[in-house]
Amino acid sequence: DGGITQSPKYLFRKEGQNVTLSCEQNLNHDAMYWYRQDPGQGLRLIYYSQIVNDFQKGDIAEGYSVSREKKESFPLTVTSAQKNPTAFYLCASSIEGQGRGETQYFGPGTRLLVL
Amino acid sequence: RKEVEQDPGPFNVPEGATVAFNCTYSNSASQSFFWYRQDCRKEPKLLMSVYSSGNEDGRFTAQLNRASQYISLLIRDSKLSDSATYLCVVKSIGYSTLTFGKGTMLLVSP
Repeated sequence: DGGITQSPKYLFRKEGQNVTLSCEQNLNHDAMYWYRQDPGQGLRLIYYSQIVNDFQKGDIAEGYSVSREKKESFPLTVTSAQKNPTAFYLCASSIEGQGRGETQYFGPGTRLLVL
Repeated sequence: RKEVEQDPGPFNVPEGATVAFNCTYSNSASQSFFWYRQDCRKEPKLLMSVYSSGNEDGRFTAQLNRASQYISLLIRDSKLSDSATYLCVVKSIGYSTLTFGKGTMLLVSP
């Protein structure tokens, strides 16, 4: 089955630790995205990548880092510099980033709780 | 000014009711519009795209008014399974990214 997978579903970390969230897609999509969702808030864009080995900051990139070494993978690292990392993290992909009317497909998300 | 604004929720309706959600956007260069549905603690899923001429998919009807910069979603004959948060999503010309509204929660009761 084609789709986007994120792991783990739940993640607990101690404050001050870096943590990496996995996102894999087998849809052959060029573009991938990372969002953060907090209770009662809309999705906020962290980073996005339109092509392998290239990525751009979104609206709230501070305290996060990404890599795009393979088309199907776009891991997100939450660093200790992120002041409020506890949130629901969603990865998405689309066929390509610039097309009109582009649809994004989401993975099931990872809930990160920093204690 | 918020880029995409939606009706605050929740909307509580009985089964069979008709309910309408409105959404306004601030960027007049916006070109593409969508409604996503998000179930509790799940990922958003595309419900429907919104076209200039308006479009319908079963019990769901989406309308776009570019002059007033608003989008609407009408749900007829509400089902219990329609209970979810509905997200208004906008894409602007020249941008690779989508802008999401905060969503409006719908609760359909028996």
